[in-house]
Amino acid sequence: NAGVTQTPKFQVLKTGQSMTLQCAQDMNHNSMYWYRQDPGMGLRLIYYSASEGTTDKGEVPNGYNVSRLNKREFSLRLESAAPSQTSVYFCASSDEGFGEAFFGQGTRLTVV
Amino acid sequence: GESVGLHLPTLSVQEGDNSIINCAYSNSASDYFIWYKQESGKGPQFIIDIRSNMDKRQGQRVTVLLNKTVKHLSLQIAATQPGDSAVYFCAENGGRRALTFGSGTRLQVQP
Repeated sequence: NAGVTQTPKFQVLKTGQSMTLQCAQDMNHNSMYWYRQDPGMGLRLIYYSASEGTTDKGEVPNGYNVSRLNKREFSLRLESAAPSQTSVYFCASSDEGFGEAFFGQGTRLTVV
Repeated sequence: GESVGLHLPTLSVQEGDNSIINCAYSNSASDYFIWYKQESGKGPQFIIDIRSNMDKRQGQRVTVLLNKTVKHLSLQIAATQPGDSAVYFCAENGGRRALTFGSGTRLQVQP
């Protein structure tokens, strides 16, 4: 059982470049999330999708866009990367917004 | 604003001792809490959860205590092992649609 799969695992971008982080879950969960984790800090919510076809902003949405492509997939896009977006990005999913979230292994992004 | 925080950034214990990791929350609407364990280079892993209608919940070697009066949450790990070394996060969902995480406590287990 793969759970939550994120790609890529590592990425280096130049300032101003764009990229899309991919996330897929095979647990038939309704809700999916994107978090970022900066060194020595907890996870901060960027965007979430409570169900297929809906997305909502979290705590730190500026500079990001998301797409809930279908029930399995939830992508995060950086249109014009900035050094402040250097972080580890985690995708997660849950049965419902109030329940346990299952996390992927993370994408370590460096913007130079 | 509403927040979830931790009292101790680093906790060092001897192997075999019991560990207690604390967490304070400020959102009185919080009704569900989770403890996660994060090992280096990995995503957070679920340890144990508790709902606000409970004061205590036990798992295998772990116990979570919830004191709603003072908005305090704790994770107790019995007979701490080297494999327990990690960063521990509490998270809460105060009626919202996603979890809010604290800043984490690093647990170091000395052999």
